[in-house]
Amino acid sequence: GNSVTQMEGPVTLSEEAFLTINCTYTATGYPSLFWYVQYPGEGLQLLLKATKADDKGSNKGFEATYRKETTSFHLEKGSVQVSDSAVYFCALIPNQAGTALIFGKGTTLSVSS
Amino acid sequence: KAGVTQTPRYLIKTRGQQVTLSCSPISGHRSVSWYQQTPGQGLQFLFEYFSETQRNKGNFPGRFSGRQFSNSRSEMNVSTLELGDSALYLCASSLWTSQETQYFGPGTRLLVL
Repeated sequence: GNSVTQMEGPVTLSEEAFLTINCTYTATGYPSLFWYVQYPGEGLQLLLKATKADDKGSNKGFEATYRKETTSFHLEKGSVQVSDSAVYFCALIPNQAGTALIFGKGTTLSVSS
Repeated sequence: KAGVTQTPRYLIKTRGQQVTLSCSPISGHRSVSWYQQTPGQGLQFLFEYFSETQRNKGNFPGRFSGRQFSNSRSEMNVSTLELGDSALYLCASSLWTSQETQYFGPGTRLLVL
């Protein structure tokens, strides 16, 4: 079946450190891949997405590349800020009708100054 | 353009009661999906509506139901509430299908006592 596996947190970093949050997936065909972010007490915000192999999604300094060969979509940021502290969810949606977003369990990022 | 709105934001109910949550999608969006978020199970898909019809359904008991109106606004209802129904309920809208990018509302936090 379809699934998403994320690295478990929490991830604790100092401001300006490099961030990587690993995400791998299992899916048939070519799913679309997403990173969503959830700040405390809020809903999910779309951070970035990629819809085909080798696509790179980017937004607010975050990047992720759709790697079909390794079934991965790792999230990276070169220099994190305190305001990046949040829970990050990797998700996929299979490329077939009648399916829904499948989420990883989320990774909590805590950035200190 | 206004985002997805959900009402109410917070709700406290007791076991056995029923509850109705409301979601207004982004203007022009026709597909509305509902998700339940709990610490133990993470984010789980409830159902998707399009053109007033349920197009897809997750693995939840029949106590969970929903509907969509002609203006694309959607409601979900949970009858005979159980303690385990305490969760953040998130609504997401997309233009035509759930395969497109889904934009989430802030959620309704339900506490069942």
